[in-house]
Amino acid sequence: AQSVTQPDIHITVSEGASLELRCNYSYGATPYLFWYVQSPGQGLQLLLKYFSGDTLVQGIKGFEAEFKRSQSSFNLRKPSVHWSDAAEYFCAVVGYNNNDMRFGAGTRLTVKP
Amino acid sequence: KAGVTQTPRYLIKTRGQQVTLSCSPISGHRSVSWYQQTPGQGLQFLFEYFSETQRNKGNFPGRFSGRQFSNSRSEMNVSTLELGDSALYLCASSRTGGNTEAFFGQGTRLTVV
Repeated sequence: AQSVTQPDIHITVSEGASLELRCNYSYGATPYLFWYVQSPGQGLQLLLKYFSGDTLVQGIKGFEAEFKRSQSSFNLRKPSVHWSDAAEYFCAVVGYNNNDMRFGAGTRLTVKP
Repeated sequence: KAGVTQTPRYLIKTRGQQVTLSCSPISGHRSVSWYQQTPGQGLQFLFEYFSETQRNKGNFPGRFSGRQFSNSRSEMNVSTLELGDSALYLCASSRTGGNTEAFFGQGTRLTVV
């Protein structure tokens, strides 16, 4: 069965520091991969997605993610974090021939001044 | 264009009652998915509808049901409410489901007392 693992429940970084959030997936074939962000009490907003092609994808708000097939990973990065990036981040997968999106447990990001 | 609209935003119900939540997708989107979000279980897939047909179903009891109308609006119903049903219920719409980008509503916060 497809699954998504986000190993870090909570991460704290200083404003201006770089950020990397980890995501590993388990699936028979390369699924479609997504990163979403959720602010408290809000719905989810898509940051970026990977379907095929270039393994480094750019998203909104200065985020990027790199797909590594050999490691079954799709880690999210940002070179310089802003206080407004504090939120919960979810990695998600959709199977190639599937229509239900499976989410990781989420990583809560705290930004220190 | 208008985003995904979920109504109501907040709901308080008593154990044993039933509840109906509504989701209006983005115009032109034919796929609507529902998710339950709780602190303990995270984001869990409930079901997905496309052109008035349920295409996928998650692992929830039969008390959870849904439907989709010809205008793509969707409702989900929970009967015989239990305390554990307290959660944020999120709806997502996309053009065709699968790998097409999903847009989330702000959710309905259901509290069962």
